[in-house]
Amino acid sequence: KNEVEQSPQNLTAQEGEFITINCSYSVGISALHWLQQHPGGGIVSLFMLSSGKKKHGRLIATINIQEKHSSLHITASHPRDSAVYICAVRWRSGGSNYKLTFGKGTLLTVNP
Amino acid sequence: GAVVSQHPSWVICKSGTSVKIECRSLDFQATTMFWYRQFPKQSLMLMATSNEGSKATYEQGVEKDKFLINHASLTLSTLTVTSAHPEDSSFYICSAYRVTYEQYFGPGTRLTVT
Repeated sequence: KNEVEQSPQNLTAQEGEFITINCSYSVGISALHWLQQHPGGGIVSLFMLSSGKKKHGRLIATINIQEKHSSLHITASHPRDSAVYICAVRWRSGGSNYKLTFGKGTLLTVNP
Repeated sequence: GAVVSQHPSWVICKSGTSVKIECRSLDFQATTMFWYRQFPKQSLMLMATSNEGSKATYEQGVEKDKFLINHASLTLSTLTVTSAHPEDSSFYICSAYRVTYEQYFGPGTRLTVT
């Protein structure tokens, strides 16, 4: 069964700390998304990766295709970063099926 | 970047009435759009895949007569919740697939059925 595992499930940090959220998946993928959702809010697409590394502001996303693993890093974390972060993948074997499989999310709380 | 909008952002309706939610891709053409449902503290659940000009493909367990999906143009898909009941109260999210660029998510619509 194709699975997406995120860790940790919950993460509490102090303002300014460096944060890492991990995502592992079971078989080859054609794309991996990192999404952000604030409480009661909509989904914001942070990154879409198929290889390498991307950076946007204080956010960095990396992916290791061989190890089937991706990480989302937040530098100099801030209370406004508090949200649920979700990893989602499109399996390589999906063909014309563009469906995503979602991880269960990581709830990040950054305290001032 | 690509933008997907949803309208309305929230809606309250009485039990038994129907509600239509719109999903638009604002600056690209989307041949495929997806509709998701999310319950509190849970991840997104795919309801159906909407292809422009053809019938939607529903996931197992999703009632196609209750959740009507119309993808009338390359920039618009609609989800109509028919004869809504309180258990239909949820957060509904759409995404639009852009070839080689992957999916872009809408901001979601919160439906409350009283």
